[in-house]
Amino acid sequence: NAGVTQTPKFRVLKTGQSMTLLCAQDMNHEYMYWYRQDPGMGLRLIHYSVGEGTTAKGEVPDGYNVSRLKKQNFLLGLESAAPSQTSVYFCASSSNSAGYTFGSGTRLTVV
Amino acid sequence: GIQVEQSPPDLILQEGANSTLRCNFSDSVNNLQWFHQNPWGQLINLFYIPSGTKQNGRLSATTVATERYSLLYISSSQTTDSGVYFCAVGTGGLKTIFGAGTRLFVKA
Repeated sequence: NAGVTQTPKFRVLKTGQSMTLLCAQDMNHEYMYWYRQDPGMGLRLIHYSVGEGTTAKGEVPDGYNVSRLKKQNFLLGLESAAPSQTSVYFCASSSNSAGYTFGSGTRLTVV
Repeated sequence: GIQVEQSPPDLILQEGANSTLRCNFSDSVNNLQWFHQNPWGQLINLFYIPSGTKQNGRLSATTVATERYSLLYISSSQTTDSGVYFCAVGTGGLKTIFGAGTRLFVKA
């Protein structure tokens, strides 16, 4: 019962580099989300998806892009990383009648 | 947008003690969740509770949507209860807003 799996768990990028974070869920959930968590703060929604092939902006979408080509996968891309994007990134999935299941997080440092 | 306030911000308990965490929100919501983030950063969904009362072992939660608050009760606290407790609310669509959390430390 893997639930929600995020890869990688850790990454260090140089300013201007690009990368993609992968989120995979095996619960057949319709909805998927990407959040970022900064020290001492709650979680802020970056982008979300209501189903395969659809995405929408959250609270802090600038500098990120997402894709959901398959129902079970939700990708978060950083095209040109900036130090302000240093954070812990969490993916989550949910259904209509249940709350979120979170992945274990990706700790990203941009130097 | 909707405001979510959690209290207290920090809480220290002796093992075995009981506690109540509060979540106030500024507008009507159609869903509310409580999460526990353990010291290793893992986020666990405790309750999905847009209204009413639910219990799971030593934890229970009550949401009074008409009065715009929710309470999380922890009874007979254990050291493994330490971490941060987040309340998160949704007002429609899928934009769920998180509170800043209550940081709990349970002493042995």
